[in-house]
Amino acid sequence: AQTVTQSQPEMSVQEAETVTLSCTYDTSESDYYLFWYKQPPSRQMILVIRQEAYKQQNATENRFSVNFQKAAKSFSLKISDSQLGDAAMYFCAYRYYNQGGKLIFGQGTELSVKP
Amino acid sequence: GAGVSQTPSNKVTEKGKYVELRCDPISGHTALYWYRQSLGQGPEFLIYFQGTGAADDSGLPNDRFFAVRPEGSVSTLKIQRTERGDSAVYLCASSTHRGETQYFGPGTRLLVL
Repeated sequence: AQTVTQSQPEMSVQEAETVTLSCTYDTSESDYYLFWYKQPPSRQMILVIRQEAYKQQNATENRFSVNFQKAAKSFSLKISDSQLGDAAMYFCAYRYYNQGGKLIFGQGTELSVKP
Repeated sequence: GAGVSQTPSNKVTEKGKYVELRCDPISGHTALYWYRQSLGQGPEFLIYFQGTGAADDSGLPNDRFFAVRPEGSVSTLKIQRTERGDSAVYLCASSTHRGETQYFGPGTRLLVL
């Protein structure tokens, strides 16, 4: 069975600095998607970034980028120029490539941003 | 357009009661998912609909949990004989038929006293 592990329950970063959140996963599949979702206190899960496993190029969305290491089954999220609004729970998630695949989430990392 | 909406936002009930949680997906999204998020945990999959039918209900914990989507749009998650362990945030998500990305609603926080 697929599993997703986030080994950092909490992280802290200074405003304007860079922080990296770690995620590892386990799967025997070769085609899948990986996601980072942000969940602020409002509870709404917001998509931050998505990576297709068949793409070697790391995904980037403005200040957010990933380091996808398929062989190592590692998928870390880098947040550059951290802002106060980045403070939230961050969840890493895996989804098999088939149509309608369910998401499998990690335990989450709570990010705090210090002014 | 409007995002995924869920009602109620919060629900408090007593042990043994029946509850219904509603999800209204993004217009045109044929896939709909229910997840349960316990305190301090990541969401866990419950059930997935493609259109009106449940394509995967492997995450439903027991037969007290049931979900429907009769017209392929709004879905209702039904919990019978609620237990204190059912207390959690219930999240709904929807996606297009191809479904690369799931878009989530704000969730319903259920508290069973």
